[in-house]
Amino acid sequence: QQQVKQSPQSLIVQKGGISIINCAYENTAFDYFPWYQQFPGKGPALLIAIRPDVSEKKEGRFTISFNKSAKQFSLHIMDSQPGDSATYFCAASNAGNMLTFGGGTRLMVKP
Amino acid sequence: ETGVTQTPRHLVMGMTNKKSLKCEQHLGHNAMYWYKQSAKKPLELMFVYSLEERVENNSVPSRFSPECPNSSHLFLHLHTLQPEDSALYLCASSRTGGANYGYTFGSGTRLTVV
Repeated sequence: QQQVKQSPQSLIVQKGGISIINCAYENTAFDYFPWYQQFPGKGPALLIAIRPDVSEKKEGRFTISFNKSAKQFSLHIMDSQPGDSATYFCAASNAGNMLTFGGGTRLMVKP
Repeated sequence: ETGVTQTPRHLVMGMTNKKSLKCEQHLGHNAMYWYKQSAKKPLELMFVYSLEERVENNSVPSRFSPECPNSSHLFLHLHTLQPEDSALYLCASSRTGGANYGYTFGSGTRLTVV
């Protein structure tokens, strides 16, 4: 019930391409879905987050797509750049409770 | 600088040593967390403190001992560690109750047990 399943584990994209990372959850009480970005030697940093009352949220080149009926959400990185190479974590929680993290996706953007 | 400061950044310790990791936040958050990050388990929750009370202890061996003296400070005391405890130890903080605003993580302490 509390799991968040993330795929793929690793992803290689050419510069300028679209990176897509997917997450699925079971707990229908989840109402907050953030994505974190982690560079080597640093802690994860909040990248973008969505609540289930909207189906999409865009911030610059980063977009979260949310499908409530399928209990899935995804991160799209448009025009991927080598500087986007990092590990990405999805997460989910319901109000006031702890985040449940996905297993992470290591993204490499090739120049 | 994220608002959550962890010290030291790197630590090498022998298996018989005793050391402590420190975490400090001045974001007005009332919950703090310790995570272990390794190649095998990307984000492994260890301990959770909410309003200075431990509310989660995720089956962590007793050689790890947390301490939360106030809402701004969190420690992880280490003793007689094993080489498999070598990892990045991350501290995070958040607000609890009401709407979620996510966690703020520190940069971590890279621990090597020799």
